[in-house]
Amino acid sequence: DAGITQSPRHKVTETGTPVTLRCHQTENHRYMYWYRQDPGHGLRLIHYSYGVKDTDKGEVSDGYSVSRSKTEDFLLTLESATSSQTSVYFCAISTPGQLVEQFFGPGTRLTVL
Amino acid sequence: AQSVTQPDIHITVSEGASLELRCNYSYGATPYLFWYVQSPGQGLQLLLKYFSGDTLVQGIKGFEAEFKRSQSSFNLRKPSVHWSDAAEYFCAVGGRSNDYKLSFGAGTTVTVRA
Repeated sequence: DAGITQSPRHKVTETGTPVTLRCHQTENHRYMYWYRQDPGHGLRLIHYSYGVKDTDKGEVSDGYSVSRSKTEDFLLTLESATSSQTSVYFCAISTPGQLVEQFFGPGTRLTVL
Repeated sequence: AQSVTQPDIHITVSEGASLELRCNYSYGATPYLFWYVQSPGQGLQLLLKYFSGDTLVQGIKGFEAEFKRSQSSFNLRKPSVHWSDAAEYFCAVGGRSNDYKLSFGAGTTVTVRA
């Protein structure tokens, strides 16, 4: 158990509203990641962080922003949600010594109506 | 650029039969390779990984995978499938040259029939 929680686990929202998803880890790992999972696409990286206030874009970052003010929390924000952002969102962390090996949280299912 | 192709979208196998899932990768340096499994409604669980050394790696739940550099492949196998192996399986590649970011295949869904 990598000690990763995500909140909320399920959310339904309307187009145009802001949404923030939270990823919390208890292990003080430096690297954290946000992915989205869609049928036929596997997991695609949205943003990642390599330390407090150090973040970078992944392959599908448009429409998303992130923040990391504490080691344990990595927030993903949809400034104005669109129906194309309906997806399952996963947070992941990397462990020290094997930075490429990632462990995943339980996921957040987001529906944008 | 790194990428992963899983040619089979869906595989149906009988319980007790063998299973092989294909994975082909593209990576410009020495790859780190992974197989993850996702049961319905669950997160991803690491099955096994290849970093270096022996090209045949053993994982959890009786799975193994073989790294073949000449074929850019990392196929997953299990000799005898159990009904609980019904899930979606993802292959992933990453490494130091791309800041440890992983690229995932689209996944293969395995159905186990009695």
